[in-house]
Amino acid sequence: DAKTTQPTSMDCAEGRAANLPCNHSTISGNEYVYWYRQIHSQGPQYIIHGLKNNETNEMASLIITEDRKSSTLILPHATLRDTAVYYCIVRVYSGGKLTFGQGTILTVHP
Amino acid sequence: DGGITQSPKYLFRKEGQNVTLSCEQNLNHDAMYWYRQDPGQGLRLIYYSQIVNDFQKGDIAEGYSVSREKKESFPLTVTSAQKNPTAFYLCASSPGQSRMNTEAFFGQGTRLTVV
Repeated sequence: DAKTTQPTSMDCAEGRAANLPCNHSTISGNEYVYWYRQIHSQGPQYIIHGLKNNETNEMASLIITEDRKSSTLILPHATLRDTAVYYCIVRVYSGGKLTFGQGTILTVHP
Repeated sequence: DGGITQSPKYLFRKEGQNVTLSCEQNLNHDAMYWYRQDPGQGLRLIYYSQIVNDFQKGDIAEGYSVSREKKESFPLTVTSAQKNPTAFYLCASSPGQSRMNTEAFFGQGTRLTVV
């Protein structure tokens, strides 16, 4: 699985959009981009995933660049409960090795 | 309810004792995973299993052992050979190769303290 690079931490004001970047320059053509988040002392929670098209669900939007070497997770209206560690992962299929990086600590301020 | 269950939530053991952490899923998933998380750190993969009766070492397998005798269960044994066993342990499952591009589900974790 390709490795990912994320900023260590980011801040966001409550009610504003949070844009979390991820670099995956060595991604191969059949690897998907997944995003998870982990709130303190809980198991990670799935957010969204995509291959090459932009994706949106009730939690977030995922924007993948045309060359697929980077992506951005967008939380459109961040709340205090969105404060968490956000992990960007690339993997080929759901049964293979699943490796996490250090993630981005997102802090949402009132 | 379908899901993945880890038990117990908190576990205390004396140094030198082996301890087994339970992970059960009723999601009919083929693949299961064990991770370790230390304070302020990300998740590190210990072992994973893509199918019953088969498993592979992750990045930090030393001092740990697993078994996968049943599809629903993937217990992790922390042996006395593990130098720093105190950590937060997370189990996950995902559908497996038969279903592409689907997400993994995580349990709520077991916090192991060795004294």
